[in-house]
Amino acid sequence: GQQVMQIPQYQHVQEGEDFTTYCNSSTTLSNIQWYKQRPGGHPVFLIQLVKSGEVKKQKRLTFQFGEAKKNSSLHITATQTTDVGTYFCAGRAGTYKYIFGTGTRLKVLA
Amino acid sequence: NAGVTQTPKFQVLKTGQSMTLQCAQDMNHEYMSWYRQDPGMGLRLIHYSVGAGITDQGEVPNGYNVSRSTTEDFPLRLLSAAPSQTSVYFCASSQGTGRTEAFFGQGTRLTVV
Repeated sequence: GQQVMQIPQYQHVQEGEDFTTYCNSSTTLSNIQWYKQRPGGHPVFLIQLVKSGEVKKQKRLTFQFGEAKKNSSLHITATQTTDVGTYFCAGRAGTYKYIFGTGTRLKVLA
Repeated sequence: NAGVTQTPKFQVLKTGQSMTLQCAQDMNHEYMSWYRQDPGMGLRLIHYSVGAGITDQGEVPNGYNVSRSTTEDFPLRLLSAAPSQTSVYFCASSQGTGRTEAFFGQGTRLTVV
């Protein structure tokens, strides 16, 4: 079945450093979404990527969808303490099901 | 705006007991789903529904039942609780069938002893 892996599992950074999490699917995806979950909270939608090679930016966050539509990345420039949380990708492969990655937990040290 | 409402927020069950986790949304969304979240495992899809009367299995459906008699409600039933079902459960809904953002409920933290 479809699998979505995410690396790294954990990342500790100093405030102001950059951060990147990678998402890899075992199958070609129709689209991919990214979510953020604050500690003790629920996942909150960040963005959706649909086209091969697509790049989208939200302030300090840059999202990319691979050319083969099997991988994606989220890059945060100059992290802030408000970026703390777990970042999940969720991929859909032609069905109604979204399969979530295992998530990357980000800790930002002030 | 209520969004997606899950009840209860916390629950402790004894092994073998059954219970229903409630999920309701007020956004007239067609698509609803249930996930469980365990440490290091991310969010795993249990069951989902693309509309009233239509449900299907996700990645980890064993031990769980769902039904969708109305657009608004999507309850998750644990038939005979087991310690392996100790987890945080999230319900989510979205408009349409795939290309829109999912809205998550606050979660239900379930412990089976």
